[in-house]
Amino acid sequence: EAQVTQNPRYLITVTGKKLTVTCSQNMNHEYMSWYRQDPGLGLRQIYYSMNVEVTDKGDVPEGYKVSRKEKRNFPLILESPSPNQTSLYFCATSGGRAGNYGYTFGSGTRLTVV
Amino acid sequence: RKEVEQDPGPFNVPEGATVAFNCTYSNSASQSFFWYRQDCRKEPKLLMSVYSSGNEDGRFTAQLNRASQYISLLIRDSKLSDSATYLCVVNENNFNKFYFGSGTKLNVKP
Repeated sequence: EAQVTQNPRYLITVTGKKLTVTCSQNMNHEYMSWYRQDPGLGLRQIYYSMNVEVTDKGDVPEGYKVSRKEKRNFPLILESPSPNQTSLYFCATSGGRAGNYGYTFGSGTRLTVV
Repeated sequence: RKEVEQDPGPFNVPEGATVAFNCTYSNSASQSFFWYRQDCRKEPKLLMSVYSSGNEDGRFTAQLNRASQYISLLIRDSKLSDSATYLCVVNENNFNKFYFGSGTKLNVKP
């Protein structure tokens, strides 16, 4: 079954404690992206990757890092989380030019930073 | 100014009603357009792409008006299961650059 798998689904952490949210896809998709969703603001792109070792900033990259060492994985790293990073996070992938086909999203990670 | 704007709703309609949502976008160079559906606390799922000539998928019809920079979604014969938030999505020149609207909430009532 084609899947985009995010872990964890829920996470409560404290300010400053480094964390990683994992994203894995089994569809051999080239394009992967991270979004955060906040009430009234919609989905905003954090980082995206067009292929292995190719990543670029989205609209709200501050406070986040990513890596793309393998095609299937695209982890999101928060080196020093702060309360304003409390949000719902989605990983998304696309097999073709994403502009043509849109994205498939993972199930989301609800992060709370206290 | 937001790249993509939607009426947040909620739209409360009875079963069987026809309902339409509009969405406006600010960049006239936008290339691709989509409607996504998002259920409460779930991930967005692609509902349909929007083509220049308009397109239909069962009870759903999408339209694009480039001159006025808006897209629309029409749902006929609403079902209870159509209750969700509908996200308008616009892709600009960079094929990996998507802008999402904040969503329009639809409640279909018995």
